[in-house]
Amino acid sequence: DTGVSQNPRHKITKRGQNVTFRCDPISEHNRLYWYRQTLGQGPEFLTYFQNEAQLEKSRLLSDRFSAERPKGSFSTLEIQRTEQGDSAMYLCASVDGGHSGNTIYFGEGSWLTVV
Amino acid sequence: ELKVEQNPLFLSMQEGKNYTIYCNYSTTSDRLYWYRQDPGKSLESLFVLLSNGAVKQEGRLMASLDTKARLSTLHITAAVHDLSATYFCAAEMDSNYQLIWGAGTKLIIKP
Repeated sequence: DTGVSQNPRHKITKRGQNVTFRCDPISEHNRLYWYRQTLGQGPEFLTYFQNEAQLEKSRLLSDRFSAERPKGSFSTLEIQRTEQGDSAMYLCASVDGGHSGNTIYFGEGSWLTVV
Repeated sequence: ELKVEQNPLFLSMQEGKNYTIYCNYSTTSDRLYWYRQDPGKSLESLFVLLSNGAVKQEGRLMASLDTKARLSTLHITAAVHDLSATYFCAAEMDSNYQLIWGAGTKLIIKP
């Protein structure tokens, strides 16, 4: 078990470009979550999947954001036409949702800087 | 709407002292989580509190949950420098592992 893996770890992009982040959850975890965190703040929920189904999306997730989990394993988060306000750390988390009270594990995060 | 408030947001203390971080949440929540975050790093799970009256301890950290008061506390005993970090509490929404987070408490422990 290698934990939750995210890449790239850092991305600097010009405003207007598209970026994609990948998350590989812990292999037996059926639930996968994306959060966004800006400096000095707590994470904010973006969306989550149970297996391949995207079950909920936050109002924060504008139509420039899209997330997929095509085979119920890894997930991607794409941001189109990036804006400076998108600069943040994007965190992925996974958990075995089959039981209550399990630990939610977070990846190392993907830092996005839009210039 | 579930909201989570932590206080204090910043805490500077001397090694060897005790202190408590408070976490209030606004509506009924099934579970309460505590995480630690070091600068530039991800979130490390500390405790998951499942029911009213739950108390968990790990080393110098102890967390408790009072669901009637909608309050959780993280108590630090005889602080050491290595505990310097930002501590977050998060309440779970709708029993689906979706977390609503506090703003975090930045803890600095001076040797």
